Amino acid sequence: DAKTTQPPSMDCAEGRAANLPCNHSTISGNEYVYWYRQIHSQGPQYIIHGLKNNETNEMASLIITEDRKSSTLILPHATLRDTAVYYCIVRSTLMDSNYQLIWGAGTKLIIKP
Amino acid sequence: NAGVTQTPKFRVLKTGQSMTLLCAQDMNHEYMYWYRQDPGMGLRLIHYSVGEGTTAKGEVPDGYNVSRLKKQNFLLGLESAAPSQTSVYFCATIQGGTEAFFGQGTRLTVV
Repeated sequence: DAKTTQPPSMDCAEGRAANLPCNHSTISGNEYVYWYRQIHSQGPQYIIHGLKNNETNEMASLIITEDRKSSTLILPHATLRDTAVYYCIVRSTLMDSNYQLIWGAGTKLIIKP
Repeated sequence: NAGVTQTPKFRVLKTGQSMTLLCAQDMNHEYMYWYRQDPGMGLRLIHYSVGEGTTAKGEVPDGYNVSRLKKQNFLLGLESAAPSQTSVYFCATIQGGTEAFFGQGTRLTVV
């Protein structure tokens, strides 16, 4: 079973910030939080990941709570091309996990003009 | 640099036929994975490989076989296709603790 809980769908107006929540209350100390997205049933695309500090890259920002039990992915200026299913995944850093990703159903984000 | 390439992209099989899906990567990654995705669901792991010559079962391995004879290629075989195997199949690669790279998928319909 997926180790994360996400809302099934969200809407956001074009040009506004899209904030996607994720709950991972059972996360362990050696697990990262990863975000991927899938556009029109294409192959999933990596967005960002983090351990305990907030992270930012050219695509998004990741805010992880201090207790690490939840996180928020922020798309600062959403465009219509950001309409996709967004997956929050916790993944072990340990080699004996074989770096497996366990996928939930994700959040369907719809950007509206 | 093609990354991860899956062939074929589309296929229609009759029940009982066999086929092989090919995943090829040019990133020299050790870990490779085959997933299936059914409508409205997340990806489910079929089989994976942690290096050349190795394979292991994932969450939903029944009805599938795999081989990794060369590091860059990971093959997924359907011995006797069934309608329940109608799905979109994705291949992915990872090198160590980095992010996963995915192919564009193979859309398989079994009639």
